Amino acid sequence: DAGITQSPRHKVTETGTPVTLRCHQTENHRYMYWYRQDPGHGLRLIHYSYGVKDTDKGEVSDGYSVSRSKTEDFLLTLESATSSQTSVYFCAISESLGAGNTIYFGEGSWLTVV
Amino acid sequence: GNSVTQMEGPVTLSEEAFLTINCTYTATGYPSLFWYVQYPGEGLQLLLKATKADDKGSNKGFEATYRKETTSFHLEKGSVQVSDSAVYFCALLKTSYDKVIFGPGTSLSVIP
Repeated sequence: DAGITQSPRHKVTETGTPVTLRCHQTENHRYMYWYRQDPGHGLRLIHYSYGVKDTDKGEVSDGYSVSRSKTEDFLLTLESATSSQTSVYFCAISESLGAGNTIYFGEGSWLTVV
Repeated sequence: GNSVTQMEGPVTLSEEAFLTINCTYTATGYPSLFWYVQYPGEGLQLLLKATKADDKGSNKGFEATYRKETTSFHLEKGSVQVSDSAVYFCALLKTSYDKVIFGPGTSLSVIP
């Protein structure tokens, strides 16, 4: 199994509060990703990082920000959580891009916004 | 644009039945193709992959062949077990594209 740890694994928070999810990897992979998984939508990319301090938006980035100050850590922040952000969040990593590369997933963080 | 289509299910099979989950893709060039499996309450695990046309990926009794002529990567298993109950995702990664594209997932339930 790829060395990916997500924290917290489960969280309930109130609307309007900030929330930060952490992804930690021990593989020294350059690329890190945050996805959300929702019924009927499958997996959707929120943000990704291609190196320390290098990040870019995915298809559903509104309401989310990310930071990567170290190779091993990729943080996802909901500045002001909304009920529509109730979801399962997956961190993923990959060594490189392109054909032959593989993306590995963490075990997920279940977030409920009430 | 690039996309992945797969049967959404749910698919319900009896133990030892033959499984096929269809996956077709739209992409230019020669993407890599993957099948991921997600067991209840867990993250996605890579099941198998193929990186070029006619490649066959296989793992744990599952197989899928990269068919460029039909742009397909159907997942098959000859005899499913209850422990195979999970959601299966087909995905592609293009050579010059930097994000994995997932299909919507197919839920499989295997009953004894």
